Amino acid sequence: GAVVSQHPSRVICKSGTSVKIECRSLDFQATTMFWYRQFPKQSLMLMATSNEGSKATYEQGVEKDKFLINHASLTLSTLTVTSAHPEDSSFYICSARDPVSGRNEKLFFGSGTQLSVL
Amino acid sequence: TQLLEQSPQFLSIQEGENLTVYCNSSSVFSSLQWYRQEPGEGPVLLVTVVTGGEVKKLKRLTFQFGDARKDSSLHITAAQPGDTGLYLCAGVSQAGTALIFGKGTTLSVSS
Repeated sequence: GAVVSQHPSRVICKSGTSVKIECRSLDFQATTMFWYRQFPKQSLMLMATSNEGSKATYEQGVEKDKFLINHASLTLSTLTVTSAHPEDSSFYICSARDPVSGRNEKLFFGSGTQLSVL
Repeated sequence: TQLLEQSPQFLSIQEGENLTVYCNSSSVFSSLQWYRQEPGEGPVLLVTVVTGGEVKKLKRLTFQFGDARKDSSLHITAAQPGDTGLYLCAGVSQAGTALIFGKGTTLSVSS
């Protein structure tokens, strides 16, 4: 199956700094990628839908200026957490839509990034 | 907002016991999926159910999709410690454009 690579797997940063998380589709082109956020022992909450070459679509309650998403190529989407604060500490997971079926039910997930803001 | 209600939220059982996890919604879904997630990793797809009333089996796991395609269940027979993890149901509603997840069931199976 298709592979989605996410880096870094873990990052610790100081409060006020910005952190960039990369999500790459390794063997296919992903026109659409999704970013999720997950708190410990809780479910995945959709943050935004990233579309190649256009602005991301953010879910209600997600700050666009806080979580910058860039999908500049068909194989790379990035999520930048700007001016991170301890409350931004979470597990961030990206996913890409199946390139064959193009169905949103069929997603390939990255392995996630654990962000800890001190 | 399309919601998927999942229950129970936490389940702690002994090895060999059976259990059922439920996923319910007031909305109709074209399909529902079940995932299992280990700590620090992305979710792994277990099964997708598409047809109302459909039943799928994966070894000791049995998945059912409700006739009205608004609910689903996951039944595990003779649970083993290796079944421990977070189980998530997910789906794309007929009006939706992205995969949404239920709140998850944290299962702990002790030997």
